[in-house]
Amino acid sequence: DQQVKQNSPSLSVQEGRISILNCDYTNSMFDYFLWYKKYPAEGPTFLISISSIKDKNEDGRFTVFLNKSAKHLSLHIVPSQPGDSAVYFCAAVGGSQGNLIFGKGTKLSVKP
Amino acid sequence: GAGVSQSPSNKVTEKGKDVELRCDPISGHTALYWYRQSLGQGLEFLIYFQGNSAPDKSGLPSDRFSAERTGGSVSTLTIQRTQQEDSAVYLCASSLGLKDTQYFGPGTRLTVL
Repeated sequence: DQQVKQNSPSLSVQEGRISILNCDYTNSMFDYFLWYKKYPAEGPTFLISISSIKDKNEDGRFTVFLNKSAKHLSLHIVPSQPGDSAVYFCAAVGGSQGNLIFGKGTKLSVKP
Repeated sequence: GAGVSQSPSNKVTEKGKDVELRCDPISGHTALYWYRQSLGQGLEFLIYFQGNSAPDKSGLPSDRFSAERTGGSVSTLTIQRTQQEDSAVYLCASSLGLKDTQYFGPGTRLTVL
């Protein structure tokens, strides 16, 4: 069973508007979460992370929100730009060895 | 460059052949991870190294898969007697230590005919 879920396989947003990508997890022991962006034929690129002791982390146009009681996190991109078009993966640090458990990704398309 | 590098970028092989995939982590990073992404799937953890040791091989999908890391740096993932279901993009990541941010290489796309 999937421990990290991204239920929207795709999202289309107009340039300049806000993009909201969602992620749910099932294991309440997860204490660190990351978002990666992936372009075709490239490896994932780290975007932003959040520890479970926080409920928000912001870096420029990117903000990640964590709701521990709902086991839900979201990535907000504002304003969205065409160059943000990519697949976004949510990941949780799985255990003592630090391996990442990934969702299946959400493909974001930002239209000019 | 200073990032994670992987070779080859693409590998096409025939079913039953052995393949070796190589990963050069970022200098100074002690932790190294292998993942794979099959078509339409998320990234699946395979194995990790802290230094030269490989403490947990339980993520490897079968005993045809093995990995080693020599000198605390370069790692090789070997797949013996490849099968068509092994076709995927194999990604390597490194981090300063366990639970630090992982930085990924560009991946090796493996196609087994």
